[in-house]
Amino acid sequence: DIQMTQSPSSVSASVGDRVTITCQASQGISSWLAWYQQKPGKAPKLLIYAASSLQSGVPSRFSGSGSGTDFTLTISSLQPEDFATYYCQQANSFPLTFGGGTKVEIK
Amino acid sequence: QVQLQESGPGLVKPSQTLSLTCTVSGGSISSGDYYWSWIRQPPGKGLEWIGYIYYSGSTYYNPSLKSRVTISVDTSKNQFSLKLSSVTAADTAVYYCARGVRIAASPGDWFDPWGQGTLVTVSS
Repeated sequence: DIQMTQSPSSVSASVGDRVTITCQASQGISSWLAWYQQKPGKAPKLLIYAASSLQSGVPSRFSGSGSGTDFTLTISSLQPEDFATYYCQQANSFPLTFGGGTKVEIK
Repeated sequence: QVQLQESGPGLVKPSQTLSLTCTVSGGSISSGDYYWSWIRQPPGKGLEWIGYIYYSGSTYYNPSLKSRVTISVDTSKNQFSLKLSSVTAADTAVYYCARGVRIAASPGDWFDPWGQGTLVTVSS
């Protein structure tokens, strides 16, 4: 199985801050990576697919980059509704696997 | 737009079989464009992919659960279902159904949309 490691596990930030979350795959996955946002008590929501493609309806302050084993999710200017937990997921091979999550908290 | 809704018992006894159904509305499971997955999340923990089914009935299961999992589809009802046998407390989780999306040449799926999730507790 491909292991997905996210860092940090949590980050404290203020509204307007730039936030960067990283995800590392245990082996190369090309660009087959997705990012999700999950709020408490809700299902995850797809933000980014194919490492850098923005899902329809997702604000442009979210962006993704990377290929191979190292990936980044960036929120350019954190908004109040962005406080949530973020997960990466590899779609390169089965079984599909997720990172452990990064919780973005209010500073 | 497509919506998914999980249904089934919220409490299952140890050693019994967990059974859930996902009803798809706003689109047809039989369209052939998507793969339909189950994913779970233990309380306070991360996400684990369980397996998928295609409208034709072909399946792929996570090897970690393969011996206990069965996913089936009922295209006439636009539903797919999960059965997980011999459950223990470790199977307590929120269970989500989700539509798996693949773009050209993509080996696997990302998930959009998801159902709201249903908490299944394994306890006597």
